[in-house]
Amino acid sequence: EAQVTQNPRYLITVTGKKLTVTCSQNMNHEYMSWYRQDPGLGLRQIYYSMNVEVTDKGDVPEGYKVSRKEKRNFPLILESPSPNQTSLYFCASTPHGRVSNEQFFGPGTRLTVL
Amino acid sequence: GQQVMQIPQYQHVQEGEDFTTYCNSSTTLSNIQWYKQRPGGHPVFLIQLVKSGEVKKQKRLTFQFGEAKKNSSLHITATQTTDVGTYFCAMDSNYQLIWGAGTKLIIKP
Repeated sequence: EAQVTQNPRYLITVTGKKLTVTCSQNMNHEYMSWYRQDPGLGLRQIYYSMNVEVTDKGDVPEGYKVSRKEKRNFPLILESPSPNQTSLYFCASTPHGRVSNEQFFGPGTRLTVL
Repeated sequence: GQQVMQIPQYQHVQEGEDFTTYCNSSTTLSNIQWYKQRPGGHPVFLIQLVKSGEVKKQKRLTFQFGEAKKNSSLHITATQTTDVGTYFCAMDSNYQLIWGAGTKLIIKP
């Protein structure tokens, strides 16, 4: 089944404890991105990647890192999480190196930083 | 940066009533996408509009793209409980999608 998977789905952690949220897609998509969703703010892009080894900042990259060593995986790293990073996170992918195509979303990761 | 304004933030309707959400941009859009997010779920693509004045229908959903390509709307006729969720528009800006804040459709009991 064609899909985007994220792990973990739920995570409660404490300030400063490094964490990684994994994202994987099995559709051979070139473009992948990370969003955070907060009430009343819609989705805001954190980072995106147009292909392997190519990543770029979105609108809210502070406090996050990403890597794209393989086409299928795009992990999101929080080196030192803070409470303002408590949010719902979505990974998404799209077939080509542009966003003017349907985005396929993962199920989301709900992160709480205490 | 570029922004897309989406209104209203919430809309409460009785089942069977119509629902409309609007998106407006200060700049001309190359295209606009619409997504639906069910409660507890992830955004799911509904449609993309590309042409000026374009109107597309999916059963009870009607999507419009303004003549000047600066605004778009989604209209649902005779809402059903399965329509509950948040509807988002998203505009293509270089290599990013810029999202509206969403309109939450709530069916009154």
